[in-house]
Amino acid sequence: AQSVTQLGSHVSVSEGALVLLRCNYSSSVPPYLFWYVQYPNQGLQLLLKYTSAATLVKGINGFEAEFKKSETSFHLTKPSAHMSDAAEYFCAVTRTGGGNKLTFGTGTQLKVEL
Amino acid sequence: KAGVTQTPRYLIKTRGQQVTLSCSPISGHRSVSWYQQTPGQGLQFLFEYFSETQRNKGNFPGRFSGRQFSNSRSEMNVSTLELGDSALYLCASSSSRGGGETQYFGPGTRLLVL
Repeated sequence: AQSVTQLGSHVSVSEGALVLLRCNYSSSVPPYLFWYVQYPNQGLQLLLKYTSAATLVKGINGFEAEFKKSETSFHLTKPSAHMSDAAEYFCAVTRTGGGNKLTFGTGTQLKVEL
Repeated sequence: KAGVTQTPRYLIKTRGQQVTLSCSPISGHRSVSWYQQTPGQGLQFLFEYFSETQRNKGNFPGRFSGRQFSNSRSEMNVSTLELGDSALYLCASSSSRGGGETQYFGPGTRLLVL
């Protein structure tokens, strides 16, 4: 079975500050990891994904994440927050042979303040 | 290419009724997955269809069912609605089911059960 844990259901940062959203995974086989963003009243949009190529993954809107097997982590970062980054962020995992079944974390609501 | 479309976008039903939601995947995509999103339970996987066959099923009662047509369009049905079925139902499509495939989400159907 796979699972993901997102630490911090709410994170608040100042505009221009570093964004760090935490995700730890549990998987008995090599995982595929994803970060999705959800704006109010919308579906989910893929930010980036890890599929065992490079451990440092760059995504859209300046976000990136680093896969650390030793720490079972896949934290999402952005050097400088923008007001438009305010949204809910979800970490998710699938595995080889698991088809397209995504197991999601509980989400982190990011607030960006002036 | 057009994105994933879901109809209707909003729906109000009463307890005991049944409901059918529709999802049209991105052209050429053969995999369609359904998720339920609620404030209490978060994002939960319902089922995945690929080439008209159910490939994966989540832990939901038999009241929840789905199907996929030869053009890859999918429908999900919920019979004997309960108040707890109020949720945002999201559909996602992908071109295949290799585990690390990107899934593209639709805007969702928001169901309110009174």
